[in-house]
This record gives sequence, structure tokens and C-alpha cells, in this order.
Amino acid sequence: KQEVTQIPAALSVPEGENLVLNCSFTDSAIYNLQWFRQDPGKGLTSLLLIQSSQREQTSGRLNASLDKSSGRSTLYIAASQPGDSATYLCAVGPDTGRRALTFGSGTRLQVQP
Amino acid sequence: KAGVTQTPRYLIKTRGQQVTLSCSPISGHRSVSWYQQTPGQGLQFLFEYFSETQRNKGNFPGRFSGRQFSNSRSEMNVSTLELGDSALYLCASSLIPQGATEAFFGQGTRLTVV
Repeated sequence: KQEVTQIPAALSVPEGENLVLNCSFTDSAIYNLQWFRQDPGKGLTSLLLIQSSQREQTSGRLNASLDKSSGRSTLYIAASQPGDSATYLCAVGPDTGRRALTFGSGTRLQVQP
Repeated sequence: KAGVTQTPRYLIKTRGQQVTLSCSPISGHRSVSWYQQTPGQGLQFLFEYFSETQRNKGNFPGRFSGRQFSNSRSEMNVSTLELGDSALYLCASSLIPQGATEAFFGQGTRLTVV
């Protein structure tokens, strides 16, 4: 059974700092990995999708990497802003492509102005 | 293009009642999945529909059911509500069966059972 862990559970940083969020998964047989952002009481916003054959994806100040063999992914946020404050979730899609996403419990990020 | 639309956004129901939630996927998307999110359990998969057929089901009791219509809109029904059903219910839309492509989520329906 796939298990996804995100460390740290919470993070507080001053504005402008670069930061890294971690995601690890137990079964390396994944199809893809997706990073989401969730604001309090709201739905999930897709940030980046990395296919299993890819090593990284970039979107603006965000860069996500994937190391399937070690079961790890990182989300790098450059020059953090208060508007980045949210919970960040990673989710893995199994390699059969026929099963649901498995989510981590998230990292709650607060960027202090 | 329009995103995933969930209605209603908020619901308050009494124990024992039943409730129906609706999800309209992104135009052209044929897969709709439902998740329950609670502070204690995080995001848990309920079920997935693709082309009007249930493809997968999570570990939830039979009180939780769903269906998908020919226009890909999906409804989720919970009967005999319990206090523990209070949660944010999220639906996700994807072009093809979930897990194989990018998933897009709606804003959720916040269900409170009193």
C-alpha cells in the first residue's frame, strides 16, 4: 500500500527566503506525482505535475524534482512571498494509471512579511 | 475555460438525513473522482467515475454512493448522515482515468452534520 509522507508538517519563514518542501513515498512504481496548494477552507490548486519519466518541472518561482528510485520529491519555492502562505500537498498516481491519487498530509507554510 | 464546479459550497444537515452533492467537471473531462478531507484523516478517496461507470471505490461504507451522467457531471450521495461525515468533500476532474494525468479540483462542499 502506497504511503506518502511530507516533512515538515509546518514551516514559517521570512519573506524572500528560498525554501524546500519534501515529499516521500514508499512504492516507487508511480505514474506521476502532482503538487497542489490549498488555501484554508478551499479546494486544491494544481501547481506542478511530474511524469515518472521526468526529473523536474518548473513553473515561475516553483521547481519540483522527482527521484523515483529513492521515492522522493521536493518542491522548491524561490523568493517566497506572503501570498505563498498555504498548505502544500503532494500526491502520487500509481503506475497502473487506474487507481486514485494517494496524498500526503501536507506542509503548512507561513511566509512572514 | 471554466474550472471544476461543486455545488452547494456549504451544507448543514441533521444526523440521519441524506445529502446529495454535485460536481461539474472541466469541459471535455470524462473522469470525476471524489475525496473526503478531514483534519484527522486528511484526503481520503471515495470513488471515481469514468464514462458513467464507477472505476474505483475507496474504503467507505455503502452509505456513500455516487453516479455520473452522460454529460460527465457527477453526484455524490450520503445517506443516514453521521456526525463523523462532517468534512470538506472535494471532486477532481481529469481528462482520462485519474492517476494517469493531471487532476483538477473544485472548491469543495463543506458539509456539517449536527
